[in-house]
Amino acid sequence: EAQVTQNPRYLITVTGKKLTVTCSQNMNHEYMSWYRQDPGLGLRQIYYSMNVEVTDKGDVPEGYKVSRKEKRNFPLILESPSPNQTSLYFCASSSTGALSSGANVLTFGAGSRLTVL
Amino acid sequence: QQPVQSPQAVILREGEDAVINCSSSKALYSVHWYRQKHGEAPVFLMILLKGGEQKGHDKISASFNEKKQQSSLYLTASQLSYSGTYFCGTGKREYSGGGADGLTFGKGTHLIIQP
Repeated sequence: EAQVTQNPRYLITVTGKKLTVTCSQNMNHEYMSWYRQDPGLGLRQIYYSMNVEVTDKGDVPEGYKVSRKEKRNFPLILESPSPNQTSLYFCASSSTGALSSGANVLTFGAGSRLTVL
Repeated sequence: QQPVQSPQAVILREGEDAVINCSSSKALYSVHWYRQKHGEAPVFLMILLKGGEQKGHDKISASFNEKKQQSSLYLTASQLSYSGTYFCGTGKREYSGGGADGLTFGKGTHLIIQP
């Protein structure tokens, strides 16, 4: 089944304790991205990657790091989490190319709910 | 900069129509529409490219007016299954031609359909 898998789905941690949220897709998609969703603010992009070793900042990158060493994986790293990073995080991926081929349609993971105390 | 969606929320009876608007202060090159049901991930509805085209998907259609820098989503004869939060996303760069890279979403419109 074509899917984007995020882990963990739920996490409660404390301020300053480094954590990584993993994201893996099995569709051979070139493009991957991370969003955070907060009440009243919608989906805000954190980082995205057009392909292996190619990453770029989104609209709210502060406090986050990413890497894209393999095409299928795009982990989100919080080096020193703070309470304002408490949020629902979504990873998404899509192929790139012509719209007629079904490209550029984002497939989202199920989400990771993070609480930082 | 996030596109602006209106209304923020709407409550309808089953069978009524709804219009959700998405506008941007910057030039629009593509508009993506997604729906998110409570507790689930967003799901793709459609993409519109600049050119003023209108697309349809069952009883859900959308228009894109690049001169007015806005898009509208039309839900006709709404069904209970249409309930959820609708997001529009705008592409940042002209070259992307509908690409999802750098997609900026609005804050969402909550749609509640009552029996």
